[in-house]
Amino acid sequence: KAGVTQTPRYLIKTRGQQVTLSCSPISGHRSVSWYQQTPGQGLQFLFEYFSETQRNKGNFPGRFSGRQFSNSRSEMNVSTLELGDSALYLCASSTSSGGVAGELFFGEGSRLTVL
Amino acid sequence: AQSVTQLGSHVSVSEGALVLLRCNYSSSVPPYLFWYVQYPNQGLQLLLKYTSAATLVKGINGFEAEFKKSETSFHLTKPSAHMSDAAEYFCAVNTNAGKSTFGDGTTLTVKP
Repeated sequence: KAGVTQTPRYLIKTRGQQVTLSCSPISGHRSVSWYQQTPGQGLQFLFEYFSETQRNKGNFPGRFSGRQFSNSRSEMNVSTLELGDSALYLCASSTSSGGVAGELFFGEGSRLTVL
Repeated sequence: AQSVTQLGSHVSVSEGALVLLRCNYSSSVPPYLFWYVQYPNQGLQLLLKYTSAATLVKGINGFEAEFKKSETSFHLTKPSAHMSDAAEYFCAVNTNAGKSTFGDGTTLTVKP
């Protein structure tokens, strides 16, 4: 069974640009969540999608957005990039549904550098 | 609200020594608790999870953790450290299916 796939793995952008990151979950997983990982802030929850609907959202500005497609693949977008957006963005898929907490299966991440 | 505190951002042990990584949680409802490991330039991988069954949970690579409700703790242990255990370890709590809250992580160094 293929794992969680994130693309691109590395990217460099300049301030003010926008970026789109992609995540393909494990087959059969309907929940996809996104996390931002930085040395200073650790792992911060961005949002979670389940069956194409945003089910949970973290405390990030509106520049951070996401969506999920009917095949459960997900994208996140960051507009008007700032230096502080430089981070490893991790996608995780899960079988969790309703109130049942499932384990998270993580991709290897997309490392974004903003210059 | 839920939160996780990992005591000690860096832990160093000798190869063959006991590994103890501490995690305390705060949750208003019975939590699900997880330990994940992250190797350099990789995503996180599940070590073990507690989901209200047995309080002593065994995971991969010889790790185990004990859920202690009275102490709100879920410490991770391994009897004998191996060089390959050097990594960053994260404790996480989940009371809402779609959102996990992670601790700040503990970097484990294993000395030969």
